[in-house]
Amino acid sequence: ETGVTQTPRHLVMGMTNKKSLKCEQHLGHNAMYWYKQSAKKPLELMFVYSLEERVENNSVPSRFSPECPNSSHLFLHLHTLQPEDSALYLCASRPDRASVEKLFFGSGTQLSVL
Amino acid sequence: AQKVTQAQTEISVVEKEDVTLDCVYETRDTTYYLFWYKQPPSGELVFLIRRNSFDEQNEISGRYSWNFQKSTSSFNFTITASQVVDSAVYFCALSEAKNDYKLSFGAGTTVTVRA
Repeated sequence: ETGVTQTPRHLVMGMTNKKSLKCEQHLGHNAMYWYKQSAKKPLELMFVYSLEERVENNSVPSRFSPECPNSSHLFLHLHTLQPEDSALYLCASRPDRASVEKLFFGSGTQLSVL
Repeated sequence: AQKVTQAQTEISVVEKEDVTLDCVYETRDTTYYLFWYKQPPSGELVFLIRRNSFDEQNEISGRYSWNFQKSTSSFNFTITASQVVDSAVYFCALSEAKNDYKLSFGAGTTVTVRA
């Protein structure tokens, strides 16, 4: 148990649907991350929030829209996705954005786009 | 740009064998941090170790050991006397002091330990 909770664990959606992924941490961390994990590829950093301010938007298509309403919650809103967006989406947090800090990960949301 | 390469995609061993996972990194920063994470079937990545660029001492923790060599830009991980519970995907990662929020991962190595 890392202290980072992601819901739902599994999600199947059509290309015209709108859905949201949720991440929650009560570790008192100030930095939160979204990563995309595709088979046989490095984890891709998507978004980083530090103190609720977005500090990284790593050339992610606009069909992915993050939201960080407070330091404990992070959302990833999805709309008009493509089949190639099917992947495991991992949320992580760390005490602050400093490079020395380790990340605490959730178990991920396995997304399938039909 | 920072980059992490894990050349081994999959490794399969029989229980009690040793297994070494390779990690090679690229960075122009003189201050950086290297990490290893384990991802069991449940999905969440679990932190194993962190080394900073100024500390080349090798480390041993139980059956796990790490060999950090700046001369070859490598940070290899060895599991001694492997067990079935070691079956997982293992990721090497790099964080640079100049890009403080960014943690870059390799593609991971899937380790399967057979009984």
